[in-house]
Amino acid sequence: GENVEQHPSTLSVQEGDSAVIKCTYSDSASNYFPWYKQELGKRPQLIIDIRSNVGEKKDQRIAVTLNKTAKHFSLHITETQPEDSAVYFCAASKGTAGNKLTFGGGTRVLVKP
Amino acid sequence: KAGVTQTPRYLIKTRGQQVTLSCSPISGHRSVSWYQQTPGQGLQFLFEYFSETQRNKGNFPGRFSGRQFSNSRSEMNVSTLELGDSALYLCASSTGDAGGEKLFFGSGTQLSVL
Repeated sequence: GENVEQHPSTLSVQEGDSAVIKCTYSDSASNYFPWYKQELGKRPQLIIDIRSNVGEKKDQRIAVTLNKTAKHFSLHITETQPEDSAVYFCAASKGTAGNKLTFGGGTRVLVKP
Repeated sequence: KAGVTQTPRYLIKTRGQQVTLSCSPISGHRSVSWYQQTPGQGLQFLFEYFSETQRNKGNFPGRFSGRQFSNSRSEMNVSTLELGDSALYLCASSTGDAGGEKLFFGSGTQLSVL
């Protein structure tokens, strides 16, 4: 089955700096790659997603890039703010017949003011 | 619209018991997925139900089962509880019309097995 690895497991950045989280996946049939943010004690929420027919997607301060050949995708957060502190999860799915997501292990991001 | 509702919020059980968790999806959503979240294993997919049928299944033992009702509400059952079943159980709903959709998560049920 699909396996998703996520790095780093923790990331500390200074407010205003950029943060980058990287994920690799194993199943070349995967074609949908969402990112979820989970604040402490809260439910996971989708922040951005990308499909395999697109190489990059941006939404304000966040962007995701996908390299299908290398089977990896990354989340980029620019101009980090304290409210960006959370655990971020990448995930992959085949995007057909349902919503079976395989998640990475998560990255705890701490933005220091 | 009301969000995804999970009940109960907390549960304490002892080994060998069974437990039933409930999930009410967002109105109009027909897909309900269940995930187990633990500090060590992260978020792991249990199963997905769509229109009362199990559409996808993860790699959990048969002690974990679920069902979905005609109103899309879903229940998850764990029988013969083990200490390792202690976790936050999250359900998520979506329209279910196509794969690769945004999932809306509930707040979860925190299960502690003593």
